[in-house]
Amino acid sequence: GQNIDQPTEMTATEGAIVQINCTYQTSGFNGLFWYQQHAGVAPKFMSYNVLDGLEENGRFSSFLSRSKGYSYLLLKELQMKDSASYLCAVRDGDYKLSFGAGTTVTVRA
Amino acid sequence: IAGITQAPTSQILAAGRRMTLRCTQDMRHNAMYWYRQDLGLGLRLIHYSNTAGTTGKGEVPDGYSVSRANTDDFPLTLASAVPSQTSVYFCASSDAAGTTDTQYFGPGTRLTVL
Repeated sequence: GQNIDQPTEMTATEGAIVQINCTYQTSGFNGLFWYQQHAGVAPKFMSYNVLDGLEENGRFSSFLSRSKGYSYLLLKELQMKDSASYLCAVRDGDYKLSFGAGTTVTVRA
Repeated sequence: IAGITQAPTSQILAAGRRMTLRCTQDMRHNAMYWYRQDLGLGLRLIHYSNTAGTTGKGEVPDGYSVSRANTDDFPLTLASAVPSQTSVYFCASSDAAGTTDTQYFGPGTRLTVL
């Protein structure tokens, strides 16, 4: 099976930066996704990496190192509305998504 | 444009009963997926369909069946519900399987089996 690990919880202060790490071991690799999920609603697509390096999208950035089986999601200038669960998902060799258990980020004033 | 809709929003069901969760998308996406989300376990794939007329098993298919008669609809059936099937169920779709396309999720169905 697939193995995707990310921290369970993180807490940060409004205006600060938080980095959520994700390590993976999968059968094949066809891209890594980050989703944001607020309590009780559907996961929302945030970013996609398939090549090594950094992808930036406003306050959010995602990094991938395929050789290390490692990614991180960087959230800058944190806002209260960023309090949510962040899901790391890897597309395997069969193009199926496997998800980590998610990291709950709490932003405090 | 609604995107992906799911029904019902929530349901309480007696064990042993049959239940069908509905999923409809209006984006003309080829691929559709059913996941269950349980605390501490993340999203797990139950069944998928790469295109109308085809289905496949995911990570946790036992106790569930699906059909894909057309592009828009992908119902999930629990033939005889058991308490371990208590979960939040999400339907998702993507433009084409086997590509870099992104999966988009429906609002979810919260199912409780007593």
